[in-house]
Amino acid sequence: DAGITQSPRHKVTETGTPVTLRCHQTENHRYMYWYRQDPGHGLRLIHYSYGVKDTDKGEVSDGYSVSRSKTEDFLLTLESATSSQTSVYFCAISEGQEGTQYFGPGTRLLVL
Amino acid sequence: KQEVTQIPAALSVPEGENLVLNCSFTDSAIYNLQWFRQDPGKGLTSLLLIQSSQREQTSGRLNASLDKSSGRSTLYIAASQPGDSATYLCALNTGGFKTIFGAGTRLFVKA
Repeated sequence: DAGITQSPRHKVTETGTPVTLRCHQTENHRYMYWYRQDPGHGLRLIHYSYGVKDTDKGEVSDGYSVSRSKTEDFLLTLESATSSQTSVYFCAISEGQEGTQYFGPGTRLLVL
Repeated sequence: KQEVTQIPAALSVPEGENLVLNCSFTDSAIYNLQWFRQDPGKGLTSLLLIQSSQREQTSGRLNASLDKSSGRSTLYIAASQPGDSATYLCALNTGGFKTIFGAGTRLFVKA
Protein backbone atom coordinates (compact mmCIF):
# COMPACT_ATOMS: atom_id res chain seq x y z
CA ASP A 1 0.00 0.00 0.00
CA ALA A 2 1.14 3.52 -0.78
CA GLY A 3 2.34 5.34 2.31
CA ILE A 4 -0.41 7.89 2.79
CA THR A 5 -1.80 8.95 6.13
CA GLN A 6 -4.52 11.43 6.95
CA SER A 7 -5.17 13.20 10.20
CA PRO A 8 -7.42 13.44 11.99
CA ARG A 9 -9.40 10.39 10.94
CA HIS A 10 -12.58 11.69 12.54
CA LYS A 11 -13.58 15.19 13.54
CA VAL A 12 -16.69 16.88 14.84
CA THR A 13 -16.75 20.65 14.73
CA GLU A 14 -19.19 23.52 14.88
CA THR A 15 -20.35 25.81 12.12
CA GLY A 16 -18.08 28.79 11.67
CA THR A 17 -14.92 27.26 13.08
CA PRO A 18 -11.78 26.76 10.99
CA VAL A 19 -10.67 23.19 10.34
CA THR A 20 -7.42 21.87 8.90
CA LEU A 21 -6.97 18.36 7.56
CA ARG A 22 -3.54 16.94 6.92
CA CYS A 23 -2.31 14.50 4.30
CA HIS A 24 1.16 13.03 4.65
CA GLN A 25 2.90 10.81 2.11
CA THR A 26 6.14 8.86 2.22
CA GLU A 27 6.25 8.05 -1.51
CA ASN A 28 7.84 11.30 -2.70
CA HIS A 29 5.12 11.63 -5.36
CA ARG A 30 4.86 15.01 -7.02
CA TYR A 31 1.09 15.20 -7.35
CA MET A 32 -1.36 15.37 -4.48
CA TYR A 33 -5.15 15.76 -4.43
CA TRP A 34 -7.99 16.42 -2.05
CA TYR A 35 -11.40 14.88 -2.81
CA ARG A 36 -14.68 14.78 -0.98
CA GLN A 37 -17.08 11.86 -1.19
CA ASP A 38 -20.80 12.37 -0.68
CA PRO A 39 -23.79 10.11 -1.31
CA GLY A 40 -25.33 10.95 -4.64
CA HIS A 41 -22.30 12.93 -5.81
CA GLY A 42 -19.51 10.41 -5.74
CA LEU A 43 -15.95 11.66 -5.49
CA ARG A 44 -15.25 15.26 -6.45
CA LEU A 45 -11.92 17.06 -6.66
CA ILE A 46 -11.49 20.01 -4.29
CA HIS A 47 -7.88 21.10 -4.90
CA TYR A 48 -4.72 19.58 -6.22
CA SER A 49 -1.00 20.23 -6.09
CA TYR A 50 1.63 19.68 -8.76
CA GLY A 51 4.60 20.57 -6.61
CA VAL A 52 5.72 22.40 -3.50
CA LYS A 53 3.79 25.67 -3.33
CA ASP A 54 2.05 24.83 -6.62
CA THR A 55 -1.67 24.30 -6.17
CA ASP A 56 -4.86 24.83 -8.14
CA LYS A 57 -8.60 24.58 -7.77
CA GLY A 58 -10.72 21.59 -8.59
CA GLU A 59 -14.41 21.16 -9.22
CA VAL A 60 -15.69 22.11 -5.74
CA SER A 61 -13.11 24.50 -4.27
CA ASP A 62 -15.39 27.18 -2.78
CA GLY A 63 -14.86 27.45 0.98
CA TYR A 64 -11.59 25.51 0.92
CA SER A 65 -7.94 26.47 0.73
CA VAL A 66 -4.81 24.36 0.56
CA SER A 67 -1.12 24.65 1.20
CA ARG A 68 1.89 22.55 0.37
CA SER A 69 5.15 23.68 1.93
CA LYS A 70 6.86 20.29 1.71
CA THR A 71 6.66 17.47 -0.81
CA GLU A 72 5.22 15.11 1.77
CA ASP A 73 2.48 17.29 3.27
CA PHE A 74 -0.70 18.69 1.74
CA LEU A 75 -3.07 20.60 4.01
CA LEU A 76 -6.75 21.30 3.40
CA THR A 77 -8.33 24.15 5.35
CA LEU A 78 -11.99 24.93 5.75
CA GLU A 79 -11.83 28.62 6.60
CA SER A 80 -15.25 28.70 8.26
CA ALA A 81 -16.89 25.31 8.33
CA THR A 82 -20.50 24.94 7.19
CA SER A 83 -22.89 22.00 7.49
CA SER A 84 -22.64 21.45 3.73
CA GLN A 85 -18.98 20.56 4.25
CA THR A 86 -19.92 17.51 6.30
CA SER A 87 -18.35 14.77 4.21
CA VAL A 88 -15.63 12.19 3.94
CA TYR A 89 -12.40 13.73 2.71
CA PHE A 90 -9.80 11.72 0.84
CA CYS A 91 -6.26 12.60 -0.05
CA ALA A 92 -4.66 10.97 -3.09
CA ILE A 93 -1.21 10.99 -4.66
CA SER A 94 0.19 10.12 -8.05
CA GLU A 95 3.66 9.96 -9.50
CA GLY A 96 2.63 11.26 -12.91
CA GLN A 97 -0.02 13.75 -13.91
CA GLU A 98 -2.14 11.02 -15.49
CA GLY A 99 -0.79 8.10 -13.49
CA THR A 100 -2.33 5.74 -11.01
CA GLN A 101 -3.87 7.56 -8.06
CA TYR A 102 -3.38 6.11 -4.58
CA PHE A 103 -5.78 7.09 -1.85
CA GLY A 104 -5.44 7.67 1.85
CA PRO A 105 -7.82 6.19 4.45
CA GLY A 106 -10.04 9.28 4.60
CA THR A 107 -11.21 11.77 7.24
CA ARG A 108 -14.83 11.81 8.36
CA LEU A 109 -15.85 15.38 9.14
CA LEU A 110 -19.12 16.31 10.79
CA VAL A 111 -20.02 20.00 10.98
CA LEU A 112 -22.81 20.70 13.46
CA LYS B 1 -19.59 17.05 -20.71
CA GLN B 2 -18.16 13.66 -19.82
CA GLU B 3 -20.51 11.44 -17.84
CA VAL B 4 -19.64 8.14 -16.22
CA THR B 5 -22.28 5.52 -15.44
CA GLN B 6 -21.93 2.26 -13.58
CA ILE B 7 -24.71 -0.27 -13.90
CA PRO B 8 -25.91 -2.09 -11.90
CA ALA B 9 -25.73 -0.03 -8.74
CA ALA B 10 -25.73 -3.23 -6.69
CA LEU B 11 -25.12 -6.88 -7.43
CA SER B 12 -25.40 -10.04 -5.35
CA VAL B 13 -23.86 -13.30 -6.58
CA PRO B 14 -23.06 -16.71 -5.08
CA GLU B 15 -19.46 -17.56 -4.33
CA GLY B 16 -17.53 -18.99 -7.27
CA GLU B 17 -19.44 -17.16 -9.95
CA ASN B 18 -17.65 -15.21 -12.66
CA LEU B 19 -19.01 -11.71 -12.99
CA VAL B 20 -18.70 -8.54 -15.04
CA LEU B 21 -19.02 -4.98 -13.80
CA ASN B 22 -19.75 -2.25 -16.31
CA CYS B 23 -18.57 1.33 -16.70
CA SER B 24 -19.93 3.52 -19.50
CA PHE B 25 -18.75 6.96 -20.55
CA THR B 26 -19.99 9.50 -23.06
CA ASP B 27 -16.77 10.99 -24.47
CA SER B 28 -14.01 8.79 -25.90
CA ALA B 29 -11.35 11.47 -25.36
CA ILE B 30 -9.74 9.95 -22.28
CA TYR B 31 -6.17 9.46 -21.14
CA ASN B 32 -6.77 6.43 -18.99
CA LEU B 33 -9.34 4.56 -16.95
CA GLN B 34 -8.77 3.24 -13.47
CA TRP B 35 -10.73 0.68 -11.47
CA PHE B 36 -10.85 0.90 -7.67
CA ARG B 37 -12.41 -1.06 -4.87
CA GLN B 38 -13.68 0.57 -1.72
CA ASP B 39 -14.50 -1.32 1.44
CA PRO B 40 -17.03 0.22 3.86
CA GLY B 41 -15.47 3.09 5.82
CA LYS B 42 -12.19 2.77 3.98
CA GLY B 43 -10.27 4.53 1.25
CA LEU B 44 -10.04 3.50 -2.38
CA THR B 45 -7.68 0.75 -3.43
CA SER B 46 -6.37 0.87 -6.98
CA LEU B 47 -6.99 -2.37 -8.87
CA LEU B 48 -6.08 -1.72 -12.48
CA LEU B 49 -5.24 1.20 -14.74
CA ILE B 50 -5.73 1.01 -18.49
CA GLN B 51 -4.05 3.58 -20.67
CA SER B 52 -5.99 5.03 -23.59
CA SER B 53 -3.87 3.05 -26.06
CA GLN B 54 -4.46 -0.27 -24.31
CA ARG B 55 -7.34 -2.70 -24.67
CA GLU B 56 -7.05 -4.59 -21.41
CA GLN B 57 -5.12 -5.17 -18.21
CA THR B 58 -4.99 -8.22 -15.98
CA SER B 59 -4.11 -8.74 -12.36
CA GLY B 60 -4.74 -12.12 -10.79
CA ARG B 61 -8.45 -12.91 -11.02
CA LEU B 62 -9.23 -9.45 -12.37
CA ASN B 63 -9.34 -8.40 -16.01
CA ALA B 64 -10.29 -4.93 -17.15
CA SER B 65 -11.07 -4.04 -20.75
CA LEU B 66 -11.44 -0.71 -22.50
CA ASP B 67 -13.36 0.03 -25.69
CA LYS B 68 -13.22 3.75 -26.35
CA SER B 69 -15.27 3.55 -29.53
CA SER B 70 -18.24 2.19 -27.64
CA GLY B 71 -17.55 4.20 -24.48
CA ARG B 72 -17.33 1.16 -22.29
CA SER B 73 -15.04 -0.55 -19.83
CA THR B 74 -15.67 -3.83 -18.05
CA LEU B 75 -14.11 -5.35 -14.96
CA TYR B 76 -14.23 -9.14 -15.03
CA ILE B 77 -13.84 -10.97 -11.72
CA ALA B 78 -13.21 -14.70 -11.99
CA ALA B 79 -14.26 -17.21 -9.35
CA SER B 80 -15.68 -14.61 -6.98
CA GLN B 81 -15.06 -14.93 -3.24
CA PRO B 82 -16.78 -13.38 -0.21
CA GLY B 83 -13.66 -11.23 0.23
CA ASP B 84 -14.45 -9.57 -3.08
CA SER B 85 -17.49 -7.94 -1.51
CA ALA B 86 -16.97 -4.19 -1.80
CA THR B 87 -17.93 -1.21 -3.92
CA TYR B 88 -16.14 -1.02 -7.25
CA LEU B 89 -15.60 2.37 -8.87
CA CYS B 90 -14.29 3.31 -12.27
CA ALA B 91 -12.56 6.64 -12.84
CA LEU B 92 -11.71 8.36 -16.11
CA ASN B 93 -8.80 10.72 -16.51
CA THR B 94 -9.82 13.15 -19.22
CA GLY B 95 -6.58 15.12 -19.26
CA GLY B 96 -4.58 17.18 -16.87
CA PHE B 97 -5.89 16.78 -13.37
CA LYS B 98 -9.47 16.07 -14.28
CA THR B 99 -10.65 12.65 -13.09
CA ILE B 100 -14.32 11.75 -13.19
CA PHE B 101 -15.57 8.96 -10.95
CA GLY B 102 -18.55 6.73 -11.42
CA ALA B 103 -21.00 6.21 -8.58
CA GLY B 104 -19.85 2.61 -8.15
CA THR B 105 -21.31 -0.87 -8.11
CA ARG B 106 -21.83 -2.43 -4.70
CA LEU B 107 -20.95 -6.14 -4.94
CA PHE B 108 -21.97 -8.77 -2.42
CA VAL B 109 -20.61 -12.30 -2.81
CA LYS B 110 -22.56 -14.84 -0.80
CA ALA B 111 -20.70 -17.74 0.82
